Amino acid sequence: AQTVTQSQPEMSVQEAETVTLSCTYDTSESDYYLFWYKQPPSRQMILVIRQEAYKQQNATENRFSVNFQKAAKSFSLKISDSQLGDAAMYFCAYPGLGSQLIWGAGTKLIIKP
Amino acid sequence: DAMVIQNPRYQVTQFGKPVTLSCSQTLNHNVMYWYQQKSSQAPKLLFHYYDKDFNNEADTPDNFQSRRPNTSFCFLDIRSPGLGDAAMYLCATSRPTGPSRDEQFFGPGTRLTVL
Repeated sequence: AQTVTQSQPEMSVQEAETVTLSCTYDTSESDYYLFWYKQPPSRQMILVIRQEAYKQQNATENRFSVNFQKAAKSFSLKISDSQLGDAAMYFCAYPGLGSQLIWGAGTKLIIKP
Repeated sequence: DAMVIQNPRYQVTQFGKPVTLSCSQTLNHNVMYWYQQKSSQAPKLLFHYYDKDFNNEADTPDNFQSRRPNTSFCFLDIRSPGLGDAAMYLCATSRPTGPSRDEQFFGPGTRLTVL
């Protein structure tokens, strides 16, 4: 079965520090995408970053980067120079069958000023 | 800007009184989704449309129905809302091909309160 696991229900980080959110997944596919979504309190779900599995290079979007370990089926999100606006729920997701996304349970990120 | 729009943003209904939530998109995406999301949980897929093909999740209650009259619009009907149906309802879209393949684009959600 295809699953996505986020083992950290909650993480906290000091403003300006770096934090890493973990995600593991299970699939038998070889070509796929992986996604990190951010959902601030009472606000819209937005894409943070995507990784294409056939690319060895880790994706980067400004302060957000991933550590993609295909063999280990690991897809962690690193946030550098954390800002108060980064406080949100972060969901890792993987496309399953039929255009659906399989979601992790989410990690609540708290930024300490 | 191309986007996903949900109306209303907040909906209050009474126990058992039918309610309809709407979603529209200007992205021209083939696939539209309805999710239910409860506090601090991952979104739970209720159903999705691939063009006009309707796909119902096995555990979606019969109380929930959906219509997609055209590419741009999709509706969620809750025939007899119960207290347990109070949640955020998210609409999303995607396309199965191209550079943003499988990425889902979300609307702001409709928060449903059942009294």
